[in-house]
Amino acid sequence: EDQVTQSPEALRLQEGESSSLNCSYTVSGLRGLFWYRQDPGKGPEFLFTLYSAGEEKEKERLKATLTKKESFLHITAPKPEDSATYLCAVQARAPGTYKYIFGTGTRLKVLA
Amino acid sequence: DTEVTQTPKHLVMGMTNKKSLKCEQHMGHRAMYWYKQKAKKPPELMFVYSYEKLSINESVPSRFSPECPNSSLLNLHLHALQPEDSALYLCASSRIVGSANTEAFFGQGTRLTVV
Repeated sequence: EDQVTQSPEALRLQEGESSSLNCSYTVSGLRGLFWYRQDPGKGPEFLFTLYSAGEEKEKERLKATLTKKESFLHITAPKPEDSATYLCAVQARAPGTYKYIFGTGTRLKVLA
Repeated sequence: DTEVTQTPKHLVMGMTNKKSLKCEQHMGHRAMYWYKQKAKKPPELMFVYSYEKLSINESVPSRFSPECPNSSLLNLHLHALQPEDSALYLCASSRIVGSANTEAFFGQGTRLTVV
């Protein structure tokens, strides 16, 4: 069964304290792993797409990496404005189409 | 432009009301989705449309009725909802490319409260 697990569930960091979020997945034939940021009451904001093991993407203080079983979102020197829920999703085959399966997310709080 | 527009942003409805949620995108995406999200939970897939045809219905109760009138618009018609249906309803779209879809872009959601 296709599945996505994220850890930790919640994370509190001091400003400038780097850390990593984990996304473990089980899917038949990975067709993309996606990272999103979601602020309270808002829709998820797309961050990165990764397609194959070894691939890396960067954007400002964020860097996403992918292996055959998991993905990491590295946050370097975070700022309070990085506080949000970070969601990981994989694309799974469905009859006639594809669907995105989301993990439960990591709620990040960065303290000034 | 990666914008998906949802209206209304907030909706309060009684259990006997009929209302509709609307979603619009102009990115040329041919896959469109409805998700439901409860507080502190991930988005939960409800429906998928591919090329304006319903591809997936995740066993959603019939009080939710989706409609895709054209390639840019997606509606969700609501009737006789229950208080437990209160949630953030998210619309998303993505491009269909060969053997997979690209990343999905989400709207800001409609916060629905059923009273």
